[in-house]
Amino acid sequence: KAGVTQTPRYLIKTRGQQVTLSCSPISGHRSVSWYQQTPGQGLQFLFEYFSETQRNKGNFPGRFSGRQFSNSRSEMNVSTLELGDSALYLCASSGRTSVTRHSTDTQYFGPGTRLTVL
Amino acid sequence: AQKITQTQPGMFVQEKEAVTLDCTYDTSDPSYGLFWYKQPSSGEMIFLIYQGSYDQQNATEGRYSLNFQKARKSANLVISASQLGDSAMYFCAMREGRGTSYDKVIFGPGTSLSVIP
Repeated sequence: KAGVTQTPRYLIKTRGQQVTLSCSPISGHRSVSWYQQTPGQGLQFLFEYFSETQRNKGNFPGRFSGRQFSNSRSEMNVSTLELGDSALYLCASSGRTSVTRHSTDTQYFGPGTRLTVL
Repeated sequence: AQKITQTQPGMFVQEKEAVTLDCTYDTSDPSYGLFWYKQPSSGEMIFLIYQGSYDQQNATEGRYSLNFQKARKSANLVISASQLGDSAMYFCAMREGRGTSYDKVIFGPGTSLSVIP
């Protein structure tokens, strides 16, 4: 059974550019969350989407935005990249299906996109 | 205020021995879920075990068990019979709320576990 997939896996950009990351959740999951992970700050919550609506939002500047489509796939966009945006970006999906038998709020993560900003 | 505390930045355990990773949390919401994840050097976060605040019994998943002490707000992960492949970062996490009113998931700083042959 397919898990959470993220594309691309690796990305190198320069300051000032913008980037779009994609996440496909486990089939049947309607919630998608995004996290930024850096050695200094650890795992920080960016935002969560549920049924195409942003349900929760973390403390990140407006350069970070996201959206969710009707098939629950989600994209995250970062505009005007800064050096400090270099990080591992993780996407997680949650929901109750025959495969994910745990609580509906258990999040299953994708492999992440490693973004390097030069 | 930090809501998840993992006081052990790094730990070592001998192969085949059991190890306990500590996690304490802080919440005033009676409804919450607690999670443990494993993150190997490859980066992917792997879900290990879940404990709901209303669950009467401690959760178990194979070699993983969660020692849930609600009054002490403690949710320690116990790994039995450690294997070399258990070497990784381990994160404790919490989500408050339930149903359609979930709050965001908060992660602790993590514990780095090294299994020694």
